[in-house]
Amino acid sequence: QSVLTQPPSVSAAPGQKVTISCSGSSSNIGTNYVSWYQQLPRTAPKLLIYDNDKRFSGIPDRFSGSKSGSSATLGITGLQTGDEADYYCGTWDSSLSAAVFGGGTKVTVL
Amino acid sequence: QVQLQESGPGLVKPSQTLSLTCTVSGDSISSGSYYWSWIRQPAGGGLQWIGHIQTSESVNYNPFLKSRVTISSDTSKNQFSLRLSSVTAADTAVYYCARDSFWSKYCNTTSCYNTEYFQYWGQGTLVSVSS
Repeated sequence: QSVLTQPPSVSAAPGQKVTISCSGSSSNIGTNYVSWYQQLPRTAPKLLIYDNDKRFSGIPDRFSGSKSGSSATLGITGLQTGDEADYYCGTWDSSLSAAVFGGGTKVTVL
Repeated sequence: QVQLQESGPGLVKPSQTLSLTCTVSGDSISSGSYYWSWIRQPAGGGLQWIGHIQTSESVNYNPFLKSRVTISSDTSKNQFSLRLSSVTAADTAVYYCARDSFWSKYCNTTSCYNTEYFQYWGQGTLVSVSS
């Protein structure tokens, strides 16, 4: 059972937009900064977004992040087949004194 | 370019100790600028943070694993290591090492507002626990 809650899957047609939600609590997302990771099949996760809305080096501006209260959102515009992957949110939990992740969301390009 | 590489046995017997090493290139683990983390992922499952080390005096562990985990570093070899004792089948997973940016962006009288993110990851190594 993950500390952060994500939908198991989202899908859209090529060129469309998807958003992935990540819900937490006051001790994690409500207090600390959120990061997002992309995991392509059979590869290690890759950092996309850090500090809620900053794109990591080399990440296209089709990827965006936002945070409001105890929830965060990853947006992907201009969806491409190469975006099919699992996406994870992460943050620090101040009550646990531990890094925590969401359960992951599988993005399917129809 | 920062690169991390996990190494260690791919098969461990139940009740024994899992030991893995992460070799870092392109950065110095002794600089103190970053933490160095272990994260695992069971087959078909999500990511679980195990713990991280900055210096030998600055180590944090996942409270759910804390009683069984030790993370240490060897700055002379630019490596850090994971030991997980009393393993069971539930510890079967792909184990990743990662460079970890973790600090308090600011603190007020009641809270600190922390950032943590994993910039670079190793390719991962599968460890199976089985007799």
